[in-house]
Amino acid sequence: EDQVTQSPEALRLQEGESSSLNCSYTVSGLRGLFWYRQDPGKGPEFLFTLYSAGEEKEKERLKATLTKKESFLHITAPKPEDSATYLCAVQADDYKLSFGAGTTVTVRA
Amino acid sequence: DVKVTQSSRYLVKRTGEKVFLECVQDMDHENMFWYRQDPGLGLRLIYFSYDVKMKEKGDIPEGYSVSREKKERFSLILESASTNQTSMYLCASSSQRGDRAYGYTFGSGTRLTVV
Repeated sequence: EDQVTQSPEALRLQEGESSSLNCSYTVSGLRGLFWYRQDPGKGPEFLFTLYSAGEEKEKERLKATLTKKESFLHITAPKPEDSATYLCAVQADDYKLSFGAGTTVTVRA
Repeated sequence: DVKVTQSSRYLVKRTGEKVFLECVQDMDHENMFWYRQDPGLGLRLIYFSYDVKMKEKGDIPEGYSVSREKKERFSLILESASTNQTSMYLCASSSQRGDRAYGYTFGSGTRLTVV
């Protein structure tokens, strides 16, 4: 069974204080690893797809990396508008996504 | 620019009622999914569909059923609503082309309260 574990559960940052979120996974036959952002009361919004170990993707202050066992989402110099819950998910051979429980990030001005 | 539309943002229903949650996507996606999201439990898959008139159980199908009569529409049905089905319900769709992994596009969610 696919398993996705995200840590920490919650992260409180000062504006400008860089940090990283972790997503560790076990899956047979990884087709892709996905990062989503979710604001309160809304559906998840797609951020990145990573397909193979060593791959990196960047978008504004966010950078996602992938190894064979885990992925990191690095937030560089965060701003209050980066406050959200960040979800990690893996896709195996059957097109289904298995999600982690998420990391809730709060950035204080 | 809305691509996955869920018919209601908020619903309040009584215990025992039959509840229909509707989801429509305009991206011609083959795959559609229903999840529920609860604090501390993350997203849990209820049912999914890879094609019209096709459905498969996810991880927590008990108390739910689904219908997919058209490619763009996927309905979730709570046969007899119970208070433990109070949750945020998320619909999603994805493409299916070859071996490439495509992520989901989510709707805005329906927050269902069963009283």
